[in-house]
Amino acid sequence: KNEVEQSPQNLTAQEGEFITINCSYSVGISALHWLQQHPGGGIVSLFMLSSGKKKHGRLIATINIQEKHSSLHITASHPRDSAVYICAVGGATNKLIFGTGTLLAVQP
Amino acid sequence: NAGVTQTPKFQVLKTGQSMTLQCAQDMNHEYMSWYRQDPGMGLRLIHYSVGAGITDQGEVPNGYNVSRSTTEDFPLRLLSAAPSQTSVYFCASSYSIAGAYEQYFGPGTRLTVT
Repeated sequence: KNEVEQSPQNLTAQEGEFITINCSYSVGISALHWLQQHPGGGIVSLFMLSSGKKKHGRLIATINIQEKHSSLHITASHPRDSAVYICAVGGATNKLIFGTGTLLAVQP
Repeated sequence: NAGVTQTPKFQVLKTGQSMTLQCAQDMNHEYMSWYRQDPGMGLRLIHYSVGAGITDQGEVPNGYNVSRSTTEDFPLRLLSAAPSQTSVYFCASSYSIAGAYEQYFGPGTRLTVT
């Protein structure tokens, strides 16, 4: 079993829909990261979470440390949100463990 | 700031050839890492450095060498390229915020070994 599991693996949504991507992990962590990768592109850090909830524009990330679970929400989705979203967890040593990513396609 | 830069963006090698992937950052971050990204798998750590002169192995270090002579640069050397090293390589730098590490990734190098 992978130490970081994401669901779903693939997600297709219509423009304007509310989207949720989930991440579960099985190790102790200092922080959880949500990353975005556009097709053929680089990787951008969206959020780093140690507890609670963070919001940036239409993106919201939450984490439940006790449940070892995090969610990334996208409100009012747009085709430009189409990308791979990657969950990664890190401990005190800064070695990250990555999920395999969720491929999101938002159709106009 | 340019952030994290990587060169080249694309490279094709023949089996057995050697080459160096370059990575540089201008944010004065102590931590730098190299990852490879393969289809269907999460990014995997190759080597990392916690500061100039200090490097250590990650999850998949075989066939790769690194050195860190300055804070800014962290090159990755392929000693004798193999088809199994065909991948996309990402360099990252990070700094600590209260025990957690904010990550900055380079644009990646797409390497094909024939």
